[in-house]
Parts: sequence; structure tokens; C-alpha cells
Amino acid sequence: GDSVTQMEGPVTLSEEAFLTINCTYTATGYPSLFWYVQYPGEGLQLLLKATKADDKGSNKGFEATYRKETTSFHLEKGSVQVSDSAVYFCALYDNQGGKLIFGQGTELSVKP
Amino acid sequence: GAGVSQSPSNKVTEKGKDVELRCDPISGHTALYWYRQSLGQGLEFLIYFQGNSAPDKSGLPSDRFSAERTGGSVSTLTIQRTQQEDSAVYLCASSSWGGGTDTQYFGPGTRLTVL
Repeated sequence: GDSVTQMEGPVTLSEEAFLTINCTYTATGYPSLFWYVQYPGEGLQLLLKATKADDKGSNKGFEATYRKETTSFHLEKGSVQVSDSAVYFCALYDNQGGKLIFGQGTELSVKP
Repeated sequence: GAGVSQSPSNKVTEKGKDVELRCDPISGHTALYWYRQSLGQGLEFLIYFQGNSAPDKSGLPSDRFSAERTGGSVSTLTIQRTQQEDSAVYLCASSSWGGGTDTQYFGPGTRLTVL
């Protein structure tokens, strides 16, 4: 079945550092891809999405490009802030079942 | 407008008791989902309602779990004879039409603790 694999955390960075969180997927066809973020004590929020190959999703300085050749959707940000500390989840939409399939989550901690 | 709301926010129960968790989706959203977030299993799909169609129950872990959606709006997830392994955060999400390009909006969750 479809699956999502994320790089393991926790990831600790200094403020203004470059961030990459790797995400690869296995799926039938070309599902929509998502990054969700969960800030401490809060619920899951959509960060960005891409619905077809080569699309780039972006929001709040974060970007991710849908790469069908490498079945990847890596999350990047050029300069992280302390307020970006959260758990980040990569997900795909299961076209067969109408649900999201999530990766295991990557915890990011940004130090001042 | 208002987002997805869930109640209660926290629930502590004893093993063997039944619990009901409630979800109020965003008004006008036809698709509603339940997921479970636990330390050992991550985020897992439980059940999906789309309009008046029969729900997709493929993610329910056992027959102790059931859910209904009344009037195409509010949903209740019921866990009978709770077990300690049912302890988790139960998340509800809704989306406009349930398709692959649609965004699912999540509620704050209900934290269930089974003693």
C-alpha cells in the first residue's frame, strides 16, 4: 500500500540556519502531497501542499517541490526562526481510500 | 469562520468503560475524517464519511470502535469496553468535498487516557 517516510528527528538548528526535512513516498499514481505542522500544544495545521508533479508549494518561507522522478517532497526553509519549532508531518492523499497517509513526523527545535 | 471543534478536550476513563467523542466539522464541509495519534503508531486513519455515502471504516482497529455522522454534520466516535492501548489523541478533520486536492482541516483533538 501507499506509504510515507520522513527523516528521523529530532532536528536541532540554530536560528537563521537552513532547514531540510526529507520526505519520500510510495504510491500508485501521483497523489497530492502535503506538509502539516503541529506547534507545541496546538492541533495539526496545513503548511503547504502540491497536487501534481513539479508543483511547488510554499507558505511562511517554507517550500517543497513535488518530484515524481525521485518520489520526494522535501521541506526546505532558508532561515529558520525559534517560532518554527514544531513537529512536521509529510502526508499523501490515498486516492484509493480518500484519506491522508502520514509520515512519522519530524521534531524541529530551533535555538536562539 | 469557525474551525473544526472537538469535545471533550480531555477524557480519562477506566478500562472497560465506553466513551463517546464528538466532532463538529466546518459548516458546509461534506467530508469528515477521524484519525488517531499515538506515540507508538503515529497518525493513523480510522474512518471517513463523504456526504450520504456509506463510510469507509477500513481503519477502525477493532469492532469496539464505531462512528456515526448525523445529518451530514456532527460526528460521534464511540469506543466500547476501552482498553489501555486505546489511549491516544483522537483527531477529527473535515474538508469541502473530500477529493485529493482538497485540504483537510483538523480539530484540536481529544486526549483519551484509559487507566
